[in-house]
Amino acid sequence: AQSVSQHNHHVILSEAASLELGCNYSYGGTVNLFWYVQYPGQHLQLLLKYFSGDPLVKGIKGFEAEFIKSKFSFNLRKPSVQWSDTAEYFCAVNAWQTGANNLFFGTGTRLTVIP
Amino acid sequence: EAEVAQSPRYKITEKSQAVAFWCDPISGHATLYWYRQILGQGPELLVQFQDESVVDDSQLPKDRFSAERLKGVDSTLKIQPAELGDSAMYLCASSPPSRKYEQYFGPGTRLTVT
Repeated sequence: AQSVSQHNHHVILSEAASLELGCNYSYGGTVNLFWYVQYPGQHLQLLLKYFSGDPLVKGIKGFEAEFIKSKFSFNLRKPSVQWSDTAEYFCAVNAWQTGANNLFFGTGTRLTVIP
Repeated sequence: EAEVAQSPRYKITEKSQAVAFWCDPISGHATLYWYRQILGQGPELLVQFQDESVVDDSQLPKDRFSAERLKGVDSTLKIQPAELGDSAMYLCASSPPSRKYEQYFGPGTRLTVT
């Protein structure tokens, strides 16, 4: 069965600090990878996605993620965080070869950015 | 920008009562999903529809949960009877035919069972 691990449960940063949130998944086949963000009081929104091609993908609001197949990882990065980035971040994986569309989510990482 | 609609946003019910949630996906999205998100965890799929047909309901507790999408548009998720452990956020999502691996989420229904 697929699983997604997000090892950082709560991250606290000051504005302008760099961010890296870890995500590892367990599935040996081809995967689609996603990062979703949930701002306080809002619904889950797609931040970025990886299907194939360049392993470094760029998303909205200056976020990027790198797919490293050998490490089964898809870490999220941002060079300089802002107070408005305070939110919960979820990594998710979809196993491409099963044909199923359902996403397997990690437990989420809560990011707090201090002004 | 089109969004997935869900109602109610909040629901408080007593144990053993019946409760229902409604979802209206983005127009044209053939695939619809119901997820449950327990506090402190990520969403977990309950059921997936392709048009009016159930594609995957392997994680749906069928003794008390039911879901339908009769006309292949909006959907209802029902719990009967509700139990204390059902307290969670219930999320609906939909996918367009051309990008079926992208899911767009609604605001969710926060259920509290007392």
